[in-house]
Amino acid sequence: GESVGLHLPTLSVQEGDNSIINCAYSNSASDYFIWYKQESGKGPQFIIDIRSNMDKRQGQRVTVLLNKTVKHLSLQIAATQPGDSAVYFCAETQNFVFGPGTRLSVLP
Amino acid sequence: DAGITQSPRYKITETGRQVTLMCHQTWSHSYMFWYRQDLGHGLRLIYYSAAADITDKGEVPDGYVVSRSKTENFPLTLESATRSQTSVYFCASSERGHREANEKLFFGSGTQLSVL
Repeated sequence: GESVGLHLPTLSVQEGDNSIINCAYSNSASDYFIWYKQESGKGPQFIIDIRSNMDKRQGQRVTVLLNKTVKHLSLQIAATQPGDSAVYFCAETQNFVFGPGTRLSVLP
Repeated sequence: DAGITQSPRYKITETGRQVTLMCHQTWSHSYMFWYRQDLGHGLRLIYYSAAADITDKGEVPDGYVVSRSKTENFPLTLESATRSQTSVYFCASSERGHREANEKLFFGSGTQLSVL
C-alpha cells in the first residue's frame, strides 16, 4: 500500500543553523504534498505545500523540494529557532497518508 | 476563532465500555477526518467523510463507528473499547471538494483516550 516515510525519527540542530527534514513516498501517482508542524499537546498545523508540477516552493524561512524521480521531498528551515522545535510530518493528500514524523530539537 | 473543536480533551474509560469522541467545525468544510496518533505509527486514518451522510473507511477502521448527520459534526464512537485503542485522537477538516487546490487539513487539539 501507499506509504510516506521519513529517513530520520529525530533531528537536533543548533539555533541559527539550517534544518533539513527528509521524506520518501511510494505512490508515484501522488500529486500534492503538504508539510505539517505539530507542537507538543497540539494538532498538526499546515506549513507549506507543493504540487507535483513544481520542484521547489518557498515560504517564510521554509523551502520544500520535490524530486519526483526518486520520490523524495524535503523541508528546509532556515536559521532554525527554538520555536521550530516540534514534530514535522509530510503528507500526501490523495489518500490522506501521513509519514511517521521527525522530531526537531533546537539546541541553544 | 473556534474553527474545529474536539471534546473531551482527556478521557479515561474501561475495557468494554462505549465511548464517543466529539468533533465540531465552524467552517462548513465538506471533508472531515478522524486520525489516531501512536508512538511509532504516526497519524493513521480511521474514517473520513466527504459530506453529510457519506463516510468511508481509512487505514484502521476496526472497532470504530462514525456518523455525519450534519456537516459540522463528525462523532467517533468506540463501541466496546479495548486497551489497544488507547491513543490520541485527532479530528480534522478540509475544504477539499469545493476548491481542488485547497486540500490542507485543519486539525483539532486532540482527545487523549486511555482505556484501562
